[in-house]
Amino acid sequence: GAVVSQHPSRVICKSGTSVKIECRSLDFQATTMFWYRQFPKQSLMLMATSNEGSKATYEQGVEKDKFLINHASLTLSTLTVTSAHPEDSSFYICSAVGRVQPQHFGDGTRLSIL
Amino acid sequence: GENVEQHPSTLSVQEGDSAVIKCTYSDSASNYFPWYKQELGKGPQLIIDIRSNVGEKKDQRIAVTLNKTAKHFSLHITETQPEDSAVYFCAATTLMNNAGKSTFGDGTTLTVKP
Repeated sequence: GAVVSQHPSRVICKSGTSVKIECRSLDFQATTMFWYRQFPKQSLMLMATSNEGSKATYEQGVEKDKFLINHASLTLSTLTVTSAHPEDSSFYICSAVGRVQPQHFGDGTRLSIL
Repeated sequence: GENVEQHPSTLSVQEGDSAVIKCTYSDSASNYFPWYKQELGKGPQLIIDIRSNVGEKKDQRIAVTLNKTAKHFSLHITETQPEDSAVYFCAATTLMNNAGKSTFGDGTTLTVKP
């Protein structure tokens, strides 16, 4: 079945560092990729929608200069958390949708900023 | 926008019993309703989905029912096993050309006691 790969699975870094997270669709071309943030024991919060070949659409309250999204190809999207601070610590999850494939999620990235 | 309510927030059943999780949605334009299972430290996994032109769908021990008039849909798990223990999320989506944002419920923590 459709598989979405997300790397890294865990990042621990110092405050002020920029962190890049990759999301790849392994066996289908992703027309749309989504980036979510999830706090402990809570639901998924959509951050942005990324369509191949166009700029990402950010949800209200999400800083586009803080969370840079690049949908480089039909199989790769990246999220860069710039100048990360402790309040950016969270579980970040990507998902991908194909032309016929439903939404499939990556296994998430646990980001811890010290 | 769409609003999805999910109940119950926690559910504990004995192994072998059935589990039912219910969701309601507000936007009559929603036409795709997936269910996800999320295990600790992992991303959500699609377990079953249903489109608005169908009232019921079954896959082995898992079934989903949809009542478009009442705007509610339910997940049914029969003959539950300890490995079914996880957090389950419902979602409502307005799909156009297989693309669209999903609105998620708040999740149900299912515990299956051996």
